[in-house]
Amino acid sequence: QSALTQPASVSGSPGQSITISCTGTSSDVGGYNYVCWYQKHPDKAPKLIIYDVSDRPSEISNRFSGSKSGNTASLTISGLQAEDEADYYCSSYTSSNTILFGGGTKLTVL
Amino acid sequence: QVELVQSGPEVKKTGASVKVSCKASGYAFTRFGISWVRQAPGQGLEWMGWISGYNYKRNYAQRFHGRLTVTMDISTSTVYMELSTLTSDDTAMYFCARDPWTGVADYWGQGTLVTVSS
Repeated sequence: QSALTQPASVSGSPGQSITISCTGTSSDVGGYNYVCWYQKHPDKAPKLIIYDVSDRPSEISNRFSGSKSGNTASLTISGLQAEDEADYYCSSYTSSNTILFGGGTKLTVL
Repeated sequence: QVELVQSGPEVKKTGASVKVSCKASGYAFTRFGISWVRQAPGQGLEWMGWISGYNYKRNYAQRFHGRLTVTMDISTSTVYMELSTLTSDDTAMYFCARDPWTGVADYWGQGTLVTVSS
């Protein structure tokens, strides 16, 4: 299985909003509401920021939101802050009973 | 508090096997599974496999079939990931994560660096 498709990089200025897309197929993203998003800083473990397409763990800021349309899921970060600069990965449950990650998106806060 | 503690770094020769442990605490171990995810240098996250803490059911990514074995010791709440026939492409940071089985990995271990050289 190929990785879910994410843009390699996105950027934004502090206070702005950005959106990262995650495109799969009807066998993964489009077929299940089991899409997650993770934030990863260098030399740290990934951190769950969105699960089940649009739910947020209690400790995660409401500046992070998720959605899905067809085979594409999206992560939106509003009110960008310097500490949001990190790599972001989507993941999805698949019809093969496996988990598939996206290739990752590097977010730069200008 | 939920905690996953992994074993220390490993250096292996090409063709050898490596076994990494992940000890869970702070939650009802049998109510969740454990996924293994790795990240090679400069690369993205890659899901490897999962084991149920309830019934030992396992699922592996196709590309690791035959090389990956995930086992569990319920008495110590420890999960093991063994990867065989190592090549330099297996050099990576390996993470375990608590996962009920839908890929919602909400708690992660600190990572174990596995280095494979000839």
